[in-house]
Amino acid sequence: GENVEQHPSTLSVQEGDSAVIKCTYSDSASNYFPWYKQELGKGPQLIIDIRSNVGEKKDQRIAVTLNKTAKHFSLHITETQPEDSAVYFCAASTGNYGGSQGNLIFGKGTKLSVKP
Amino acid sequence: KAGVTQTPRYLIKTRGQQVTLSCSPISGHRSVSWYQQTPGQGLQFLFEYFSETQRNKGNFPGRFSGRQFSNSRSEMNVSTLELGDSALYLCASMGGPSTDTQYFGPGTRLTVL
Repeated sequence: GENVEQHPSTLSVQEGDSAVIKCTYSDSASNYFPWYKQELGKGPQLIIDIRSNVGEKKDQRIAVTLNKTAKHFSLHITETQPEDSAVYFCAASTGNYGGSQGNLIFGKGTKLSVKP
Repeated sequence: KAGVTQTPRYLIKTRGQQVTLSCSPISGHRSVSWYQQTPGQGLQFLFEYFSETQRNKGNFPGRFSGRQFSNSRSEMNVSTLELGDSALYLCASMGGPSTDTQYFGPGTRLTVL
């Protein structure tokens, strides 16, 4: 089955710096790659996602890149702010039912700390 | 639209008991997935229901079961609780047959003593 590895497990940056989190996946059939942010006491919140027919996607300070050949994808956060401090999870899934994917396989998470 | 809601938010049980958790998806969403989150194993997929049918299942023992009602609300049940079942149980809803974005609820924190 699918396996997703995420690095690093912890990341500390100064406010204003950039942060990069990397994930690799094993199943070449995976075609949907979301990123979630989880704050203490809350459920994961989707921040950006990318599909296998796209190489890069950007939303303000957040960007995700996908390399299908190498089976890895990365999250890039620029101009980090203290409120970006949280645990970030990458995930992968395959489209099984007409494009829907109900089972996400998650990485172990990255705890990001942004120091003011 | 209201988000995904889960009840109860916190639950304490003892070994051997059973528990039922509830999830109400975003209005109009027909898919509900359940996940278990623990510090050691991270986020693990339990099962997914779509239109009252289980269409995907993770690698959990048969003590974990679920169901979905005609209004898309879902329940999951854990029988014969073990200490290792202590976790945050999250549900996520997804809308439509051609969308793949899952929206998570706040979770139910289950503690087994």
